[in-house]
Amino acid sequence: DQQVKQNSPSLSVQEGRISILNCDYTNSMFDYFLWYKKYPAEGPTFLISISSIKDKNEDGRFTVFLNKSAKHLSLHIVPSQPGDSAVYFCAVNTGNQFYFGTGTSLTVIP
Amino acid sequence: GAVVSQHPSWVICKSGTSVKIECRSLDFQATTMFWYRQFPKQSLMLMATSNEGSKATYEQGVEKDKFLINHASLTLSTLTVTSAHPEDSSFYICSAFRDYPPYEQYFGPGTRLTVT
Repeated sequence: DQQVKQNSPSLSVQEGRISILNCDYTNSMFDYFLWYKKYPAEGPTFLISISSIKDKNEDGRFTVFLNKSAKHLSLHIVPSQPGDSAVYFCAVNTGNQFYFGTGTSLTVIP
Repeated sequence: GAVVSQHPSWVICKSGTSVKIECRSLDFQATTMFWYRQFPKQSLMLMATSNEGSKATYEQGVEKDKFLINHASLTLSTLTVTSAHPEDSSFYICSAFRDYPPYEQYFGPGTRLTVT
């Protein structure tokens, strides 16, 4: 069964607006969470991460929020830019394993 | 949900030996699978694209004679690290692309290789 779920396969947002990508996980013992961005024909690029001791981590236009009680994390991109159009994967790293979501394809409309 | 497995999850080998890592898509067919190498807190590095029934496509800088890829069936791709050296120690992660709806990419849990 999927340990990490991204229930929205795609998302379209107007340039300048906020993009919110969501991710749910199943195991409350997970303690480190990552977001990757992937362009076609390229490997995923690490974007931002958060450990379970925090509930928010910010890096420029990207902010990740972690809600441990809901087992939910989200990535906010503001303001969204056309170059942000890509597939975004959330992932969990625990011990020797990574669990990835299936990705959300973000399209930022100019 | 779709699952991709990797075996083994963790392997230790001696320098100079070869190690085979399997990547399986458990409930869907995947014409295309990808092999990545994960460096600590860095991007996943795409090593190669594995295509069922044909030769793998390697990314620039990846030695195809060292990292042998065989995509023998629509559900199995293998990566063999030949003549392993300590610098090959890393996480190796595969993913499988479902080439029919929903067109999603599913990642395996990774294999930790330690070369002593």
